[in-house]
Amino acid sequence: GQNIDQPTEMTATEGAIVQINCTYQTSGFNGLFWYQQHAGEAPTFLSYNVLDGLEEKGRFSSFLSRSKGYSYLLLKELQMKDSASYLCAVLDSNYQLIWGAGTKLIIKP
Amino acid sequence: IAGITQAPTSQILAAGRRMTLRCTQDMRHNAMYWYRQDLGLGLRLIHYSNTAGTTGKGEVPDGYSVSRANTDDFPLTLASAVPSQTSVYFCASSETGTRNEQFFGPGTRLTVL
Repeated sequence: GQNIDQPTEMTATEGAIVQINCTYQTSGFNGLFWYQQHAGEAPTFLSYNVLDGLEEKGRFSSFLSRSKGYSYLLLKELQMKDSASYLCAVLDSNYQLIWGAGTKLIIKP
Repeated sequence: IAGITQAPTSQILAAGRRMTLRCTQDMRHNAMYWYRQDLGLGLRLIHYSNTAGTTGKGEVPDGYSVSRANTDDFPLTLASAVPSQTSVYFCASSETGTRNEQFFGPGTRLTVL
């Protein structure tokens, strides 16, 4: 079966750095997405990785290792507005997105 | 309109009633999707459409039907609602191709009593 694992909840301090991990086992791989979802709102796109390595976009970076079935989202200089759920999703061999359950990130002052 | 709209925003429905959730996009995306999101679970795909006139079943299609008469609209119908269909429903769209970044509507919160 297909499976995506990410921690249920994480807590971090404003101004700090946090790393949210995602491991996956899917039938085929055509890329990995990270989405942000604030409570009561729709998911919004953060990043896309299809090749191994680090993609940096402002305070957010995403890393991929296809051989390990592993990705992480790195958030720097945390702000209170970063409190949200972060969803990892993999595009499988049929170009369907398989979603993880999401990681709820709580930022404390 | 810009992006994707969904209607209604929320609805309370008696079990056994028929309900259609509406979704419209103005981005001219070929592909559209319906998901449900339940607490503690990831987004689960109900139905999808890769282009107007075609539809496909996702992970949890039972009890739901869709149609895609044109590019912009992708309604989801619950023929006879049951309490287990209480959920938040998201419609999404994307261009077809390898990247497949999906854009989401604001969601419909449905409660079936």
